[in-house]
Amino acid sequence: EAGVTQFPSHSVIEKGQTVTLRCDPISGHDNLYWYRRVMGKEIKFLLHFVKESKQDESGMPNNRFLAERTGGTYSTLKVQPAELEDSGVYFCASGPASTDTQYFGPGTRLTVL
Amino acid sequence: AQSVSQHNHHVILSEAASLELGCNYSYGGTVNLFWYVQYPGQHLQLLLKYFSGDPLVKGIKGFEAEFIKSKFSFNLRKPSVQWSDTAEYFCAVGYSGGYQKVTFGTGTKLQVIP
Repeated sequence: EAGVTQFPSHSVIEKGQTVTLRCDPISGHDNLYWYRRVMGKEIKFLLHFVKESKQDESGMPNNRFLAERTGGTYSTLKVQPAELEDSGVYFCASGPASTDTQYFGPGTRLTVL
Repeated sequence: AQSVSQHNHHVILSEAASLELGCNYSYGGTVNLFWYVQYPGQHLQLLLKYFSGDPLVKGIKGFEAEFIKSKFSFNLRKPSVQWSDTAEYFCAVGYSGGYQKVTFGTGTKLQVIP
């Protein structure tokens, strides 16, 4: 069974540009989560989808971040425009319905210059 | 809001030494507790989890953790570490019953010296 995949693995952009991160969850997982780790700090929750609906987006830093999960399959996280403080590793995780267990992807390392 | 504290940021041990990594959380309700590990260059992986029942939980690769409710703690232990245990370890807490966000600690980097 394929795990959670994320694309790209690394992204280097300039301040003010737009970046879109993609996450493909494990097939059949209704729950999809986005997290971010800024260097040296804790992994912080961004938001949670159940199928295509946003269950909890309390962790989204501001309106420059937009997450979507069309059709309840893969998800995208767009940052527009990117700022220096957006640099970090963005993790995606997925999990089956009715469970708290989450399976993590490898992360996307975003560097904003 | 719940928070998770990991007391050791960087631990260096020799092979065969015993390991205990501390984890305390702040939420007073019913919680689910996790330890994740990230080996160099790899994904975050679940080491073990506690949802209910026996507070002593055994995970993969010889790790175990004990939930002590009165101390709000979920410390990770291994009797004898190996070089291959070199990794970063994260304690995490979620609300029980909700497939909701998990709150992570800042992580502990473990370096095992051969």
